[in-house]
Amino acid sequence: EDQVTQSPEALRLQEGESSSLNCSYTVSGLRGLFWYRQDPGKGPEFLFTLYSAGEEKEKERLKATLTKKESFLHITAPKPEDSATYLCAVQAGYSGGYNKLIFGAGTRLAVHP
Amino acid sequence: DTGVSQNPRHKITKRGQNVTFRCDPISEHNRLYWYRQTLGQGPEFLTYFQNEAQLEKSRLLSDRFSAERPKGSFSTLEIQRTEQGDSAMYLCASSSQGSVSYEQYFGPGTRLTVT
Repeated sequence: EDQVTQSPEALRLQEGESSSLNCSYTVSGLRGLFWYRQDPGKGPEFLFTLYSAGEEKEKERLKATLTKKESFLHITAPKPEDSATYLCAVQAGYSGGYNKLIFGAGTRLAVHP
Repeated sequence: DTGVSQNPRHKITKRGQNVTFRCDPISEHNRLYWYRQTLGQGPEFLTYFQNEAQLEKSRLLSDRFSAERPKGSFSTLEIQRTEQGDSAMYLCASSSQGSVSYEQYFGPGTRLTVT
């Protein structure tokens, strides 16, 4: 069964304190792994797509990496405005699987000044 | 702004009533998805349209739920005889078949509360 597990469930950081969020996945034929940011009461906002092991992508203070079993979202010198829930999702490569995203439960990040 | 839009943003209804939500995708996107999200969980897939054809439905989509996408443009999601367990955020997303990447872009969601 295709599955995504994110850890930790919640993370509290001081401003400037770098850390990483983990996304472990089990999927038949990964077509893509996605990171989204979600603010309270809003829809998920797309951040990154990763397609193959070894791939990395960066955007401002965020860097996403991918291995064959997990992905990491590294946050460098975070600011309070980075506080949000970060969602990881996978898209399977088999027929019927690539029509949907399978999400983890997310990591709630709080960055304090 | 040409992002995905959803209406209404909030809906409060009494148990047993019918509700309908609307989603307008990004104009050039031919693929449209509905998801449901409950508190503390990630979105769960409900159904998928390619143009006007509904090609996949989740087991979560009971017979009280129906979705349409007439003419391959906007989509509606109707819930009949609502139950308290239907309370959730209903999210719509769209993507482009012609894109080399597969990301889905989400709307702001419709928050449903069943009392």
